[in-house]
Amino acid sequence: AIRMTQSPSSFSASTGDRVTITCRASQDISSYLAWYQQKPGKAPKVLIYDASTLQSGVPSRFSGSGSGTDFTLTISSLQSEDFATYYCQQYYSYPYFGQGTKLEIK
Amino acid sequence: QLQLQESGPGLVKPSETLSLTCTVSGGSISRSSYYWGWIRQPPGKGLEWIGSIYYSGSTYYNPSLKSRVTISEDTSKNQFSLKLSSVTAADTAVYYCARLPGNSNYAWFDPWGQGTLVTVSS
Repeated sequence: AIRMTQSPSSFSASTGDRVTITCRASQDISSYLAWYQQKPGKAPKVLIYDASTLQSGVPSRFSGSGSGTDFTLTISSLQSEDFATYYCQQYYSYPYFGQGTKLEIK
Repeated sequence: QLQLQESGPGLVKPSETLSLTCTVSGGSISRSSYYWGWIRQPPGKGLEWIGSIYYSGSTYYNPSLKSRVTISEDTSKNQFSLKLSSVTAADTAVYYCARLPGNSNYAWFDPWGQGTLVTVSS
């Protein structure tokens, strides 16, 4: 299995901050990576796919970059509705998710 | 707008078989070349892909669960189903169904159903 490791596991930030979450693959996955946002009691929602393609309807403050083994999700200016848990998922081989990054209000 | 809805028992006894159904509305599972999948999330933990089915009926399973999982489809009802046998407390989770965009089992998931909690307990 191609395993995904996210960092940090959790952190605190303030509205207006620029934040970056990192996802590292255990082997080269090209650009076969998606990012999801999950709020408590809700299903995950895809934000980014193919490492950098913004899903329709997702605010432009979200962006993704990277290829190979190292990827980042950036939120350019945190809004109150962005406090949630974020997951990466590779689909170079059978789908595998990172362990999640919980973003909390400072 | 495509919508998915999971249904099934919320409580299953240990060693028995967990059975869930995903009903798809706003699109046909048999008339489009999509994959349809199941994902689960134990309480307070991360996401795990269980398996996927192609509209033609081909199935793909997570190797760690393959011996216990069966995914099937009922095109007449526009549904696909999950069976997980010999369950233990470790199978307690919220179970989600979702579509995989594009025409590959190797894809992201969108959209998702709302999820259904299944508890394994005697």
